[in-house]
Amino acid sequence: LAKTTQPISMDSYEGQEVNITCSHNNIATNDYITWYQQFPSQGPRFIIQGYKTKVTNEVASLFIPADRKSSTLSLPRVSLSDTAVYYCLVGDANQAGTALIFGKGTTLSVSS
Amino acid sequence: DSGVTQTPKHLITATGQRVTLRCSPRSGDLSVYWYQQSLDQGLQFLIQYYNGEERAKGNILERFSAQQFPDLHSELNLSSLELGDSALYFCASSVRPHLDRASEAFFGQGTRLTVV
Repeated sequence: LAKTTQPISMDSYEGQEVNITCSHNNIATNDYITWYQQFPSQGPRFIIQGYKTKVTNEVASLFIPADRKSSTLSLPRVSLSDTAVYYCLVGDANQAGTALIFGKGTTLSVSS
Repeated sequence: DSGVTQTPKHLITATGQRVTLRCSPRSGDLSVYWYQQSLDQGLQFLIQYYNGEERAKGNILERFSAQQFPDLHSELNLSSLELGDSALYFCASSVRPHLDRASEAFFGQGTRLTVV
């Protein structure tokens, strides 16, 4: 099970782009990288998932370098409502349970 | 709304008691996951069921047990409750027994348990 390391917290202002990097040095060949968002007193919500290179959806982009030892979640033009905890998960899609082990996450605070 | 329903939303009980938390997964989802979230421990994976069978076990105490019924709803039973069991308990569901690009997990709103 690949261990992930993320910054504990980040601060930003409205309208800025935020990049949250996650380190996963011992990622395995079959592991996917998934990011979840959690607001206070709510359940986590899936944001984006990728295996390599770049993935983009309507919410965020995920950049994964060739060695896959890290990944960066990019949130374009954040707003106050993006204040939340962001979790990076790395796991093997074929092993039950391993893809949903959450770390401490990164608390993003967006100010006006 | 994720489509995952958890009841009750809030629960206050005394130490030593037993409670049951209920989770109804999204329609069509066969896999159910239970999580405990406390301030000091973060989001801890407890157990996963798929189509009625236990699929994976995490940091679940022996005082806790779970099951998934034929209609796919799941219950988490917590017994001999201690003050430290106070936490948010989340249920999540997904279509398949494991997660891949086609099967993200959807979380419910949680049950807040307070043990006094």
